[in-house]
Amino acid sequence: EVQLVESGGGLVQPGRSLRLSCAASGFTFDDYSMHWVRQVPGKGLEWVSGITWNSGNIGYADSVKGRFTISRDNTKNSLFLQMNSLRPEDTAFYYCAKDSVPKGGQWDWFDPWGQGTLVTVSS
Amino acid sequence: DIVMTQSPLSLPVTPGEPASISCRSSQSLLSSNGHNYFGWYVQKPGQSPQLLIYLVSRRASGVPDRFSGSGSGTDFTLKISRVEAEDVGIYYCMQALQTPVTFGQGTRLEIK
Repeated sequence: EVQLVESGGGLVQPGRSLRLSCAASGFTFDDYSMHWVRQVPGKGLEWVSGITWNSGNIGYADSVKGRFTISRDNTKNSLFLQMNSLRPEDTAFYYCAKDSVPKGGQWDWFDPWGQGTLVTVSS
Repeated sequence: DIVMTQSPLSLPVTPGEPASISCRSSQSLLSSNGHNYFGWYVQKPGQSPQLLIYLVSRRASGVPDRFSGSGSGTDFTLKISRVEAEDVGIYYCMQALQTPVTFGQGTRLEIK
């Protein structure tokens, strides 16, 4: 069974940093692109960032570009999101999601999604 | 960025009746490989989003056949032939043709 488990969320002050992790299991992690998607509680979905299977292609939403860095460790089946210079508007549930085409060169469709981790940016 | 616009945003449905959600993209989602990189997701109450439909019309594993997707280019539709109580949730369309990936605003399906 494919499982994605996010961790690292919590309460952080504006301007500080946080690192999210996503532990993957049940599939060949280094074959698939991975993504971070966030959701302000009660609001819609916003794609944050994606990374291809070999880290050769990385993309970011404009809202986080220059502040957030996605990375992966294929030896540890893990995905990360380093979030710097956090703002109150970054408060959201952060989901990691698996892309669907092995060794794909572009984004495809996301399945499955993790349960999410809540990041709250507040003083 | 490709803008995804869903309608309606709220959809009250009587059990057993059909339902339809529309999604329009600001640019064609047709790739040079012939695929439209478009899909539907549902977020049931208290849960993470889950894949419903991918590549316009392909049902994800375990999705009942009362769900169907159609469309091409910029106009797409999700249809539920007979709504059941378990279908309550927020339905999102998504395009993955271009970065950034973008979602529609979501359509809240509720049971009358």
